[in-house]
Amino acid sequence: GEDVEQSLFLSVREGDSSVINCTYTDSSSTYLYWYKQEPGAGLQLLTYIFSNMDMKQDQRLTVLLNKKDKHLSLRIADTQTGDSAIYFCAERGAGKSTFGDGTTLTVKP
Amino acid sequence: GAGVSQSPSNKVTEKGKDVELRCDPISGHTALYWYRQSLGQGLEFLIYFQGNSAPDKSGLPSDRFSAERTGGSVSTLTIQRTQQEDSAVYLCASSFGGASNEQFFGPGTRLTVL
Repeated sequence: GEDVEQSLFLSVREGDSSVINCTYTDSSSTYLYWYKQEPGAGLQLLTYIFSNMDMKQDQRLTVLLNKKDKHLSLRIADTQTGDSAIYFCAERGAGKSTFGDGTTLTVKP
Repeated sequence: GAGVSQSPSNKVTEKGKDVELRCDPISGHTALYWYRQSLGQGLEFLIYFQGNSAPDKSGLPSDRFSAERTGGSVSTLTIQRTQQEDSAVYLCASSFGGASNEQFFGPGTRLTVL
């Protein structure tokens, strides 16, 4: 079945860039998503990319997609302490989404 | 406007009891999803309803789990004869149909089975 893999932890200093990586297996994925989950809060959609794109930029967020390698990354520029959260990568074809286990981003002042 | 709501927010039950978890999707959303998030884990897909189509139940972990969606709106996830490994946060999401449409998540129900 479909699988999505992410590294579990990332720690950066405030002001640095953060890069969170994700790999997936389902070649029929049409959309790939990044969600943010803050402690005690629900999932918030950050951004998504259609599978025929290779890059999408939205303010401090840049999503890169390498469809050949089934590799997705999320870059957060000028990372702030408020960016500390768990970031989930997800892929979706028709219907359900398959989520990774999440990357815990810790931003140190 | 109102988002996805779930009730109860917390449920503590004894092993072997049945529980029902409720999800009220955003009005007009045709798709409804249930996921489970165990401690420190990602989201595990459980079941997906889309309009009047037969639901995708491929994620239900056992026959103790079932879900209904009445009138194309409210959904109830039922877990029979709960086990300790059922302890998790159960998340509901809704969306308009189609993979491009954002899933809006509810706050979840935290289930603890003693």
